[in-house]
Amino acid sequence: DAGVTQSPTHLIKTRGQQVTLRCSPKSGHDTVSWYQQALGQGPQFIFQYYEEEERQRGNFPDRFSGHQFPNYSSELNVNALLLGDSALYLCASSWTANYGYTFGSGTRLTVV
Amino acid sequence: AQSVTQLDSQVPVFEEAPVELRCNYSSSVSVYLFWYVQYPNQGLQLLLKYLSGSTLVKGINGFEAEFNKSQTSFHLRKPSVHISDTAEYFCAVSDNYGQNFVFGPGTRLSVLP
Repeated sequence: DAGVTQSPTHLIKTRGQQVTLRCSPKSGHDTVSWYQQALGQGPQFIFQYYEEEERQRGNFPDRFSGHQFPNYSSELNVNALLLGDSALYLCASSWTANYGYTFGSGTRLTVV
Repeated sequence: AQSVTQLDSQVPVFEEAPVELRCNYSSSVSVYLFWYVQYPNQGLQLLLKYLSGSTLVKGINGFEAEFNKSQTSFHLRKPSVHISDTAEYFCAVSDNYGQNFVFGPGTRLSVLP
């Protein structure tokens, strides 16, 4: 049984560009959350998707947007990239009302 | 608003010695508490969680944690560590049925031979 799958694993972008990160949740999970983990820091909550709707959002600007598809997979989009957006982006999935979040291995984004 | 403090950024310990990683939280409502481990170049793996009930929680890999409401703490312990326990450990709190977590800054545990 595959866990949470994220793609790509690594990505290098230039300032001002746009990026899309992808996440496939663990089988049976319907809720997807995204986190940003800067180097040497704990993960910070970006937003959560359930039933294709953004259910909750952390303190991130509108440049960060997302989407959830009918098969529960999700995308994270970041526009107008800044150097400070360089981080490990983690996707976590769970079954509704279940506290057993499963994290993916992340996408390492480097903005140059 | 919630916050999590991990008092030690780095903890070196010799193999087979006991270890305690400290975590304190701040919240105005009831909380759910978690410990995650992150190995190099990997995502987060859940070690254990406290939702309710017994304040002593046992997790995977021989770890346990104790919830202390009066001290707002949730310290992680292991009686005898192994080299393979070398990793980053994150304490996290949630008050909203796990809809989002607030993570601490992490503690790097280094187990020395």
